[in-house]
Amino acid sequence: EPEVTQTPSHQVTQMGQEVILRCVPISNHLYFYWYRQILGQKVEFLVSFYNNEISEKSEIFDDQFSVERPDGSNFTLKIRSTKLEDSAMYFCASSEAYGGAGSYEQYFGPGTRLTVT
Amino acid sequence: GQNIDQPTEMTATEGAIVQINCTYQTSGFNGLFWYQQHAGEAPTFLSYNVLDGLEEKGRFSSFLSRSKGYSYLLLKELQMKDSASYLCAAKSHSSYKLIFGSGTRLLVRP
Repeated sequence: EPEVTQTPSHQVTQMGQEVILRCVPISNHLYFYWYRQILGQKVEFLVSFYNNEISEKSEIFDDQFSVERPDGSNFTLKIRSTKLEDSAMYFCASSEAYGGAGSYEQYFGPGTRLTVT
Repeated sequence: GQNIDQPTEMTATEGAIVQINCTYQTSGFNGLFWYQQHAGEAPTFLSYNVLDGLEEKGRFSSFLSRSKGYSYLLLKELQMKDSASYLCAAKSHSSYKLIFGSGTRLLVRP
């Protein structure tokens, strides 16, 4: 069964450093998302991406964050200058398309645990 | 605004039935999702309701009442592996994002 993959599974970085989290969405999906989950808290939406541009972003997704689809398969989240409060599990998700009940389902990757020290 | 409420924790016995409730207030509501999340893992999709009524999928069923802003997830014949967090999430017409509740941690006891 197709699945969303993410690398690395765990990333430790020092405050102020840049990190890039990588995702490979399901191949026929057109909509891509990043969510984060701080330990013990709810899953929070960061950004959605469609047709090579950001379609929506949350207030969390400020200027230190950026997303990119550098090729036909990868989808990346870059955090330019990490802060302690960026420590969280970051989930990538993808969905097929819009229209029809099944296409709203978002499939999540296994996550990257980011630890900022 | 957007607000989703669900109980923090529930406990049930193996083989029993449990109902996890969710109430939501979402502008332009366009669907309610349930996800299962085991500790340290990704949320996995369980169900999606956009119309009123009950959707059944094996041991899991989900119900929606749009007029009441209410949904529940029903788990039958509970198994130990069903111990997990169950996340209620809402979607609106004008947005792609899912708004998640804080999740209900279900503990299944022998």
